[in-house]
Amino acid sequence: AQKVTQAQTEISVVEKEDVTLDCVYETRDTTYYLFWYKQPPSGELVFLIRRNSFDEQNEISGRYSWNFQKSTSSFNFTITASQVVDSAVYFCALSDLEVSSSNTGKLIFGQGTTLQVKP
Amino acid sequence: EAGVAQSPRYKIIEKRQSVAFWCNPISGHATLYWYQQILGQGPKLLIQFQNNGVVDDSQLPKDRFSAERLKGVDSTLKIQPAKLEDSAVYLCASSNMKGSPGAQYFGPGTRLTVL
Repeated sequence: AQKVTQAQTEISVVEKEDVTLDCVYETRDTTYYLFWYKQPPSGELVFLIRRNSFDEQNEISGRYSWNFQKSTSSFNFTITASQVVDSAVYFCALSDLEVSSSNTGKLIFGQGTTLQVKP
Repeated sequence: EAGVAQSPRYKIIEKRQSVAFWCNPISGHATLYWYQQILGQGPKLLIQFQNNGVVDDSQLPKDRFSAERLKGVDSTLKIQPAKLEDSAVYLCASSNMKGSPGAQYFGPGTRLTVL
């Protein structure tokens, strides 16, 4: 069965600090996708990144970077020079990609990590 | 491009009452999802539509929950009768999945409180 674990329930940092959010996943599939979403206080989930299991290259987008390590089943997310606007709940998710005609693509979410960035 | 629309944003009902939520996905997105997010947890899939057909409803409590997607566009999720444990945010998402799971785009959600 697929599972996503975000062991950090809450993290509090001071503005400009770097912070890493951990994500560990379990799956028997050889092909799968990993996602990160941000949920600000307004409640709407915002898509941040999608990564497939064949691409272990790290990705950087502005202050955001992602480290995908298949050997440890981890897909960690780092925010560099954090800002107050980064305060939100962050979810890591795994797609339940079935190799069949009914390609579901449903997302299995972790419990989320609440990030508080203080000024 | 307009995002996923949901209504109402908030709903308070008594237990055993009925409630319905509406979702309008992003134009052209064939795949529509309903998730339930209980406070402090990640969203959990209730049902997935591909056009107007159900792809996955394995976690939908079918004795009280129902959903439909007429004409492959808008969707309605209904709870009848509601229980206290149904208090949650109900999120609708859509994606343009072509052979692989694309990004899912979420609406603002409907916060349901069952008293």
